[in-house]
Parts: sequence; structure tokens; C-alpha cells
Amino acid sequence: GAGVSQSPSNKVTEKGKDVELRCDPISGHTALYWYRQSLGQGLEFLIYFQGNSAPDKSGLPSDRFSAERTGGSVSTLTIQRTQQEDSAVYLCASSQSRDRVNPSTDTQYFGPGTRLTVL
Amino acid sequence: DQQVKQNSPSLSVQEGRISILNCDYTNSMFDYFLWYKKYPAEGPTFLISISSIKDKNEDGRFTVFLNKSAKHLSLHIVPSQPGDSAVYFCAASAWGKLTFGQGTILTVHP
Repeated sequence: GAGVSQSPSNKVTEKGKDVELRCDPISGHTALYWYRQSLGQGLEFLIYFQGNSAPDKSGLPSDRFSAERTGGSVSTLTIQRTQQEDSAVYLCASSQSRDRVNPSTDTQYFGPGTRLTVL
Repeated sequence: DQQVKQNSPSLSVQEGRISILNCDYTNSMFDYFLWYKKYPAEGPTFLISISSIKDKNEDGRFTVFLNKSAKHLSLHIVPSQPGDSAVYFCAASAWGKLTFGQGTILTVHP
């Protein structure tokens, strides 16, 4: 596709349930990122995949959060036993491989996000 | 430790005037800087960027200035238009990983 896509666009769930959020990055982009934006807050980094390297999970807020990237393309963010404080917009972004000569390859392109509401 | 800071949570500007959005950073390893614009219910959209080897980059109404010695960058929008009203995030990159500021809400009044 032309841009990053995410599904679902909206998800309402009950506290304690598990949810899966999906991201399809731009074709050919090897880097994929997950962020979340809580109400009134900035963009909070969650996890970063770069090619076949081990993901950078330093932003995951708890062990209830996990993410996979299968085949170097599609990614799924899973939140287990959701809590009300997990309510936020979850954003996915992708970029090309880092090119030392041309740092513009760091430019990330975002999807529209998934709005998660935990009741 | 917030490495990228946007100290003004909001800015209000009259249509036709200049909007100046500011951003400060602390990590001297950052070598690429970006500005994103975000409308409600949408993902951030890339606006303009600058490499650390430059001090200015211009694209139409948008100009980004980088002062490396002060670890400061700014986005100038001139003339401002009501459609520019959005949240603006600055971001800084070191080896591919972006760190974002908290955002500044820009409101351009007709």
C-alpha cells in the first residue's frame, strides 16, 4: 500500500481482556515502531524493530505488552489483561534502513492509529 | 530524562502572522531533526527536517532553523493559515531512533 495502515481503527474492550493491534508498514521499510499517545500526552515510544535485529523493547511499560513482527513486515502489538490506564491511541510508524550518508532515511511515516478504550 | 523538550504547550497566532515553534534537546548524538504535524484522530504527518550539518532548511511557508551550540531548533511558519492549526511535534534522531517532544498546540485565528 501507499502508506502505513493500522487495524482496527477503534477498539473498545473490557478490563482484563487481551487485545491485538495490527500494523502494515510501507512496503520496503525495514524499520517499524510502535508508540502510544494518552490523552493530553506526547508520543510515548514502545518498541522498535529493525530488520532481523533483536527489537528494542525499552519503552514497553509492563510485561503485559508484547509485539511481534512476522516476515519482516506486518507487526502485531498485544496487550494482555488490559487495564483502564492502557486506554490511548496506539500509533505505528515505519522508515527505511538507516543510511549513514543520508539520515533522511530516519524519517518515520505514521499510520492513522488505533484508539483503544478499556472500560 | 526528557531529551527533547517543547516548553510551550500551546501557541496562538493571528492569520497571516508568523508562527514560531521551539524545541530544545540535550543529546549531542542527535544528528537529524524533524517536525511533525498532527490533526485530531490522525497519525502525525512528516512536515520538514534538517540534518545536523545544516543550520536552515526551507520548504514553502515552513523553515526549520538549527542552532547546534544552543541545542535548539525552531519551526517558522509564515504566513500562518487557519489550516495550520494542529499539534506540532519536534523529533530528534540518533541512528534511526526518534525521540519526540511533548508537542505544541498551534491555533491560528482568522
